[in-house]
Amino acid sequence: SAVISQKPSRDICQRGTSLTIQCQVDSQVTMMFWYRQQPGQSLTLIATANQGSEATYESGFVIDKFPISRPNLTFSTLTVSNMSPEDSSIYLCSVAFTDTQYFGPGTRLTVL
Amino acid sequence: DAKTTQPPSMDCAEGRAANLPCNHSTISGNEYVYWYRQIHSQGPQYIIHGLKNNETNEMASLIITEDRKSSTLILPHATLRDTAVYYCIVRKVDKKNAGNMLTFGGGTRLMVKP
Repeated sequence: SAVISQKPSRDICQRGTSLTIQCQVDSQVTMMFWYRQQPGQSLTLIATANQGSEATYESGFVIDKFPISRPNLTFSTLTVSNMSPEDSSIYLCSVAFTDTQYFGPGTRLTVL
Repeated sequence: DAKTTQPPSMDCAEGRAANLPCNHSTISGNEYVYWYRQIHSQGPQYIIHGLKNNETNEMASLIITEDRKSSTLILPHATLRDTAVYYCIVRKVDKKNAGNMLTFGGGTRLMVKP
């Protein structure tokens, strides 16, 4: 399996600011994913991030709001830009490793 | 990916087997059944997956019907720490789509009671 860590584990931010979430994996992986889980809801895919190419965003998510970096095969960042209270969620990093997908512990974001 | 249907919630007595059903009547031949669980405030945890044969690991057993239209995840001796939301997900796995992302439904909220 792949072991995934995320930083920060939680944060409280002010409206209009931006937060960058880091995801580190202990193995080299081609495909990484970013999910959002709003309070009381299931997980929703934000984007797929492959190393060496631009991220692919799902419907309803745009690069200006959620820019993603993927500089190498073990690391990715997701930035939540110009935050509003509606962005309060858990943000999860995930990787495809062999034929299974593994998840990080999540970053709990509260926007005031 | 095929859609799945799960009961929204279930209760189970501690020490008893928890049997979580999942319906995936539109599953196609190259789609696997995956199970994950999410304990409160944590990231989803992989449990088990299978194509058509029953599977068992240290966490659980997966029973898939012969027509593959439904499956059951079995936790043989549920403990209080098994209280979580359990997600049944159907996903293609082949050489082209080896990295296809998981699509989550609502899951089943399992409550294990003393």
